[in-house]
Amino acid sequence: AQSVTQLGSHVSVSEGALVLLRCNYSSSVPPYLFWYVQYPNQGLQLLLKYTSAATLVKGINGFEAEFKKSETSFHLTKPSAHMSDAAEYFCAVSRTGLTGGGNKLTFGTGTQLKVEL
Amino acid sequence: NAGVTQTPKFRVLKTGQSMTLLCAQDMNHEYMYWYRQDPGMGLRLIHYSVGEGTTAKGEVPDGYNVSRLKKQNFLLGLESAAPSQTSVYFCASRAPTGVGGYTFGSGTRLTVV
Repeated sequence: AQSVTQLGSHVSVSEGALVLLRCNYSSSVPPYLFWYVQYPNQGLQLLLKYTSAATLVKGINGFEAEFKKSETSFHLTKPSAHMSDAAEYFCAVSRTGLTGGGNKLTFGTGTQLKVEL
Repeated sequence: NAGVTQTPKFRVLKTGQSMTLLCAQDMNHEYMYWYRQDPGMGLRLIHYSVGEGTTAKGEVPDGYNVSRLKKQNFLLGLESAAPSQTSVYFCASRAPTGVGGYTFGSGTRLTVV
């Protein structure tokens, strides 16, 4: 079974500051890892995904994440926060080797990002 | 616009009432999923379907039933609603090829009183 743990349910940064949202995974097989963003009253939108190619993954809106096997981590970063980044962010994991519908995503509990002036 | 459409967007039910949530996708995706989102718990999988006429249980299936009679539609039913089913429900779909890339609907906010 696989799981992800997101450290910090709430993170607050100043506009222009570095954004760092933490995600650690647990998986008995090499994982696929994802970050999703949810704006208020909306569904989830894919930010980026790691699928065993490059360990540094770039996503939309200037976000990136680095897969570190030794640390079992997939932290999300953005060099300079913008007010529009305020949202809830979810880390998710699925198994490699399974491409069918049964290869489901397992989500973390989410991190609410607040950006202050 | 192509995507996943959920109806209704909001609903208030009394304990014991029944209702059906509809999810429709126009992307010809094989796989569809129902999740519930609760504060501090992230998204938890209720049921999923890998194709027309098929359904399977997820992590929290009790109290829910589903049907996938048509490829584009995935229905989630509550036969006898309970306050514990107060939640935001999200439907998602995915194509067989590729990895991840779920497309989510905008959610249904359900309150059971």
